[in-house]
Amino acid sequence: GEDVEQSLFLSVREGDSSVINCTYTDSSSTYLYWYKQEPGAGLQLLTYIFSNMDMKQDQRLTVLLNKKDKHLSLRIADTQTGDSAIYFCAGPEDSSYKLIFGSGTRLLVRP
Amino acid sequence: GAGVSQSPRYKVTKRGQDVALRCDPISGHVSLYWYRQALGQGPEFLTYFNYEAQQDKSGLPNDRFSAERPEGSISTLTIQRTEQRDSAMYRCASSYALLGLETQYFGPGTRLLVL
Repeated sequence: GEDVEQSLFLSVREGDSSVINCTYTDSSSTYLYWYKQEPGAGLQLLTYIFSNMDMKQDQRLTVLLNKKDKHLSLRIADTQTGDSAIYFCAGPEDSSYKLIFGSGTRLLVRP
Repeated sequence: GAGVSQSPRYKVTKRGQDVALRCDPISGHVSLYWYRQALGQGPEFLTYFNYEAQQDKSGLPNDRFSAERPEGSISTLTIQRTEQRDSAMYRCASSYALLGLETQYFGPGTRLLVL
């Protein structure tokens, strides 16, 4: 089954770029997702990438997928204090509906 | 349009009581999922519905947990004889596609505390 690993914590200065990394095990994953969790709010879908893509850019967000190394990253350009949150990567187990989440990376943006 | 809604947002109960958690998916979404999220962890899958049919309940921890979606829209997750270890955030998600491969949109969650 799928296993998803993330680093626990990242601290950056406002205006810098943030890079959050994730590794996964299931090579059959069709989509891979990034969700954002803010206190008191639900899990907000940030972006996703198809497994046949290497990169996807969406405004300040860039997702890179290295299928060979089973590595996914989320880059946030010009990080703002409002980006402070927990970021989860997730992938479907055995290409199914069952999403497997990492433990989340807490991003702290310092003024 | 409106997103996934869940109620109550917070529930405090005493050990041994039953609780019912409600999820109202995005209108028109065929598939509905329940996840449980412990502090400091990502959500873990509990169960999945297509319309009113419960397709997979493999993630339910034991038989005290049950879920239903009788009319293919609103779903209820029921925990009987609650225990302290049941304390967690319970999250509901819905998606449009029947096969469940479409993006899942999550509600705000219900935080359950069992004393």
